[in-house]
Amino acid sequence: EAGVTQSPTHLIKTRGQQATLRCSPISGHTSVYWYQQALGLGLQFLLWYDEGEERNRGNFPPRFSGRQFPNYSSELNVNALELEDSALYLCASSSFYEQYFGPGTRLTVT
Amino acid sequence: AQSVTQLDSQVPVFEEAPVELRCNYSSSVSVYLFWYVQYPNQGLQLLLKYLSGSTLVKGINGFEAEFNKSQTSFHLRKPSVHISDTAEYFCAVFLFGNEKLTFGTGTRLTIIP
Repeated sequence: EAGVTQSPTHLIKTRGQQATLRCSPISGHTSVYWYQQALGLGLQFLLWYDEGEERNRGNFPPRFSGRQFPNYSSELNVNALELEDSALYLCASSSFYEQYFGPGTRLTVT
Repeated sequence: AQSVTQLDSQVPVFEEAPVELRCNYSSSVSVYLFWYVQYPNQGLQLLLKYLSGSTLVKGINGFEAEFNKSQTSFHLRKPSVHISDTAEYFCAVFLFGNEKLTFGTGTRLTIIP
């Protein structure tokens, strides 16, 4: 069984640009979670999607957004990038409260 | 509101020695508890979980944790560590109804040969 996959592995953008990160959940999982792991700040919950709908949102500005597609894969968009958006972005898919994480996308904003 | 506190940001331990990584949580309702491990440049891997039942739970790689409701703790233990256990360990709380994990700030376990 394939695990959670994320693309790209690394992403380098300049301030003000937009970034798009992608996540494919484990087959059969309908929930996708996004987390930001910034240096010194730990893991922060960003967004939760289930059955195509946004179910919960963390304390992040509206320029962080996303969507979930009919095949349950998900996309995280970050608009108007700021230097402090540099972080590892982790996606997880869920089955019965257990979350399975992907390897992450490292976003660097210069 | 729920929160998770990992009291030690870094724990150095000699190889083959025992280790305990501490985790305390605060919540006004029942929670599910998890420990995850993150090896360098990787995502998080589930070590073990407590949902209900026996308060002592066993996980992968020889780790175990004990849920103590009165002390609101969920400490992670291993009787004998190996070099390969070098990683960052995260305690997490899942609040039913809120449907998200709240993570502690992590404990970096360093094994000294």
